[in-house]
Amino acid sequence: EVQLVESGGGLVQPGGSLRLSCAASGFTFSRSWMSWVRQTPGKGLEWVANIEQDGSEEYYVDSVKGRFTISRDNAKNSLYLQMNSLRAEDTAVYYCAEGRVAHDYWGQGTLVTVSS
Amino acid sequence: QSALTQPASVSGSPGQSITISCTGTSSDVGGYNYVSWYQQHPGKAPKLMIYDVSNRPSGVSNRFSGSKSVNTASLTISGLQAEDEADYYCNSYSSSSTPVFGGGTKLTVL
Repeated sequence: EVQLVESGGGLVQPGGSLRLSCAASGFTFSRSWMSWVRQTPGKGLEWVANIEQDGSEEYYVDSVKGRFTISRDNAKNSLYLQMNSLRAEDTAVYYCAEGRVAHDYWGQGTLVTVSS
Repeated sequence: QSALTQPASVSGSPGQSITISCTGTSSDVGGYNYVSWYQQHPGKAPKLMIYDVSNRPSGVSNRFSGSKSVNTASLTISGLQAEDEADYYCNSYSSSSTPVFGGGTKLTVL
């Protein structure tokens, strides 16, 4: 059974940092592009970042470039999102998802709240 | 990285067919056959329903079908059922090597 389990969300002040983690199992993690997708409460989905199988290529939505960094550890079947200089508009549920465009597997999401 | 355009809401009666559109540009929907559709029920993670414009993942009902014409992709649900009531999102690969999502469509089964 495929599982993606996110962790690391929480309440952080504007300007603060958080590191999200996603533990993967049930599929060959090292062969998959991986992505982070977020959803503002009550709003739509927004792609945030993705990373190639060996970590050599990374892409980001313009609004997080220079502030967020996606990374992976294939030995640990884990995906990460380092989020710095957080803003109120980054408040959302963050999903880990398998794939580059078509996401067959999703985690349950972790809530990040940026507020003073 | 502009969002794809979807209608905010659509509705239909049980047994009917509905179509949800997803309009982009030649730099995304029109330029690549990498359009996906997702179903999301309240409080749940999205579920992949269609990938690569018209392909269904294993386990997805054949009542769901996808197509594309120029810069607009479409999701059609036939034989509408109560459990189809959900939010639906499209996404597409784009010329910036990044995917872009649509704003989402709320489907109401009357």
